[in-house]
Amino acid sequence: GENVEQHPSTLSVQEGDSAVIKCTYSDSASNYFPWYKQELGKGPQLIIDIRSNVGEKKDQRIAVTLNKTAKHFSLHITETQPEDSAVYFCAASKEGYQKVTFGTGTKLQVIP
Amino acid sequence: SAVISQKPSRDICQRGTSLTIQCQVDSQVTMMFWYRQQPGQSLTLIATANQGSEATYESGFVIDKFPISRPNLTFSTLTVSNMSPEDSSIYLCSGGLASTDTQYFGPGTRLTVL
Repeated sequence: GENVEQHPSTLSVQEGDSAVIKCTYSDSASNYFPWYKQELGKGPQLIIDIRSNVGEKKDQRIAVTLNKTAKHFSLHITETQPEDSAVYFCAASKEGYQKVTFGTGTKLQVIP
Repeated sequence: SAVISQKPSRDICQRGTSLTIQCQVDSQVTMMFWYRQQPGQSLTLIATANQGSEATYESGFVIDKFPISRPNLTFSTLTVSNMSPEDSSIYLCSGGLASTDTQYFGPGTRLTVL
């Protein structure tokens, strides 16, 4: 089955700096790569996703890149703000509505 | 998009008892899933809830411990049976919408077993 690895497990940045989280996956059949943000006491919230026919996608301060050959994908957050502090999960699946395999999570702390 | 609600939001239970968690979606989702998130950990898929038939369980999860029902396209239940303290976790349901090719998560049920 699919295996998703995520690094780093914790990340502290100064407000205004950039944060980068990296993931690798094992199943070449995976085509959909969502990123979820989970705040304390809440369920995961989809913040951005990328599909295998796209190499990069950007939404305001958030961007994702995908290298399907290397089975790598990354989340980039620019101009970080304290409200960006949360746990971020990368994930992979064959289709967006299908079951999702999660990475191990990254706890991001943005220091004011 | 889809909005997913779960009941209860949290519960404290005694070992040996069972708890049924309800998941309601405001759209007719294609797929529904149940995940477990142990304290400080990632999400692990328990099973796919199939409408009108037995759920499909992932390795390490069995129907006797986690019976699941999905009587229609918008509702599912997960029962945690014969609970032990090791079952203390957050249980989350999700709905996959084929029309948007996206999956949405509920807020979770925080279960503590004493």
